[in-house]
Amino acid sequence: DTGVSQNPRHKITKRGQNVTFRCDPISEHNRLYWYRQTLGQGPEFLTYFQNEAQLEKSRLLSDRFSAERPKGSFSTLEIQRTEQGDSAMYLCASSDTGQEEKLFFGSGTQLSVL
Amino acid sequence: AQRVTQPEKLLSVFKGAPVELKCNYSYSGSPELFWYVQYSRQRLQLLLRHISRESIKGFTADLNKGETSFHLKKPFAQEEDSAMYYCALGGGGGYNKLIFGAGTRLAVHP
Repeated sequence: DTGVSQNPRHKITKRGQNVTFRCDPISEHNRLYWYRQTLGQGPEFLTYFQNEAQLEKSRLLSDRFSAERPKGSFSTLEIQRTEQGDSAMYLCASSDTGQEEKLFFGSGTQLSVL
Repeated sequence: AQRVTQPEKLLSVFKGAPVELKCNYSYSGSPELFWYVQYSRQRLQLLLRHISRESIKGFTADLNKGETSFHLKKPFAQEEDSAMYYCALGGGGGYNKLIFGAGTRLAVHP
């Protein structure tokens, strides 16, 4: 197991385009989190799943953002009609039952919106 | 509102010197505090959590509810400690989400 995997590593897009990122968590982990990190800031919570159920979304997450985890395994994060302010590192993390506070992070997807 | 403040963006010390990375939090309930670390070209990873009262890689952190602080300390810094350190706050049970501070870069010089 190589840990949490995120694809792509980098994404450059033009303003107004849609983008989708994928996260494959550690296989036995039932919790999956999405965070966003901008330069000079710490990771900012976006949303989390317990198995396939999306249990919490940040108020910062506009309706242009949608996340899914259809079979309780991998997850996708889609951003519609991207804006320059969406440029950031998007981090995925997973955790195991009984150790929910120990997040295992992926390497992230760096999004640049031109 | 839940908030984590790390007042120093950069802390620069020489090898063997003591290190203290500051973290203050704002939370009305019973907090759970953590330190995460990101070494160069590596992923963000958990360093330690207050509930465990453990020492990891020589680092310790004590939760001070009176001062709402959770400072990270090490008596003798090593060059391999150079990294980005993030203080994180969880609360309300269930660890539904962690609130991270902006981070402090620790640079340990030979």
